[in-house]
Amino acid sequence: NAGVTQTPKFRVLKTGQSMTLLCAQDMNHEYMYWYRQDPGMGLRLIHYSVGEGTTAKGEVPDGYNVSRLKKQNFLLGLESAAPSQTSVYFCASSQTSGLPPDTQYFGPGTRLTVL
Amino acid sequence: QKEVEQDPGPLSVPEGAIVSLNCTYSNSAFQYFMWYRQYSRKGPELLMYTYSSGNKEDGRFTAQVDKSSKYISLFIRDSQPSDSATYLCAMRGMGGYQKVTFGTGTKLQVIP
Repeated sequence: NAGVTQTPKFRVLKTGQSMTLLCAQDMNHEYMYWYRQDPGMGLRLIHYSVGEGTTAKGEVPDGYNVSRLKKQNFLLGLESAAPSQTSVYFCASSQTSGLPPDTQYFGPGTRLTVL
Repeated sequence: QKEVEQDPGPLSVPEGAIVSLNCTYSNSAFQYFMWYRQYSRKGPELLMYTYSSGNKEDGRFTAQVDKSSKYISLFIRDSQPSDSATYLCAMRGMGGYQKVTFGTGTKLQVIP
């Protein structure tokens, strides 16, 4: 199993450009998440999904959109990138059962710089 | 005030030392307490978890929860250079879908 994979690993954007980050998981997990991690701020939840075709806002959703058309994929879009969106983005997935509940498995991250 | 507070460090210790990492929290609804380890330029991975109060031991690692004080700890015995990483505490409540709240992480360096 590859677990959780993220594409791309690195990206540099100019202000105003758009891009899509792709997350894929092969563990048949129901839940998927997008986080951003910034120094001193920890992991902050951007959006999440509790199943195929569903999405919901997290703590910091502004400036981002997501889609979950297939159970194994969760896409994060930036329509008009801003320097404040420079961060490391992590995708995670979890199952609905197990101990502890919803143990999250993280991808390797995408380092995004917006100039 | 943040729901979960964690000293960011960095914490630098010699190899073989006992390390104590801590978090405090304010939400009394939290029931599951987790520790994630994150190596540099990698994603976090679950290290240990405890449910409600008490201790849990796994090899050189011991997790403690004191719900009366809203305080959790992770102890590492006989620390190794390979333990050098950032350690994040995380917590959630019970039932259905529950948001997981993460601490900001403590960076640990174990010096050979």
